[in-house]
Amino acid sequence: DSGVTQTPKHLITATGQRVTLRCSPRSGDLSVYWYQQSLDQGLQFLIQYYNGEERAKGNILERFSAQQFPDLHSELNLSSLELGDSALYFCASSVGSGRGHEQFFGPGTRLTVL
Amino acid sequence: GESVGLHLPTLSVQEGDNSIINCAYSNSASDYFIWYKQESGKGPQFIIDIRSNMDKRQGQRVTVLLNKTVKHLSLQIAATQPGDSAVYFCAENGDSSYKLIFGSGTRLLVRP
Repeated sequence: DSGVTQTPKHLITATGQRVTLRCSPRSGDLSVYWYQQSLDQGLQFLIQYYNGEERAKGNILERFSAQQFPDLHSELNLSSLELGDSALYFCASSVGSGRGHEQFFGPGTRLTVL
Repeated sequence: GESVGLHLPTLSVQEGDNSIINCAYSNSASDYFIWYKQESGKGPQFIIDIRSNMDKRQGQRVTVLLNKTVKHLSLQIAATQPGDSAVYFCAENGDSSYKLIFGSGTRLLVRP
């Protein structure tokens, strides 16, 4: 158990809908990262927050957004869902923000868009 | 550009043998590398990391080797066990964006 929690574990929804994925980092970690893992693209970095502020952005679609709250938990919002958004979404956390900080991953949320 | 990749998509080894999983990277500015293990239905689990000022680091039954000259990283698992069966990813954290760039993964299968 990494100490990172994610809810829900599974999510099934329809195209065009909007969902929110939730992540609670390990106690003491200030950075939260979101990754998407699909069969054809592996693990792709989406976005990072550090102590409530956006720190880095990866290949995140405009239909997706995220935020980190004062209690450091984070939410990833996915809207206008398409079939291709079906994937595993992982959250990771680390103590710091810069290079060289080990990232601990949560168990993931499996999103299925029908 | 920057990329992290793996030479072998699937590796099958006999239980008790040593396993070697390889990874190539292209960003010469990369200075931190991590190996993750991902079991089916779970998130990636940290195995071992290495910084670019080192060429070898050992953990429990695992060793990571870094060859900066040819931009190559390897993970050695000693006395491979059935519980080692998983997908192994290398990742680098070398650019200024603080993100992890993952390789495509190698599936390790341990034969009894």
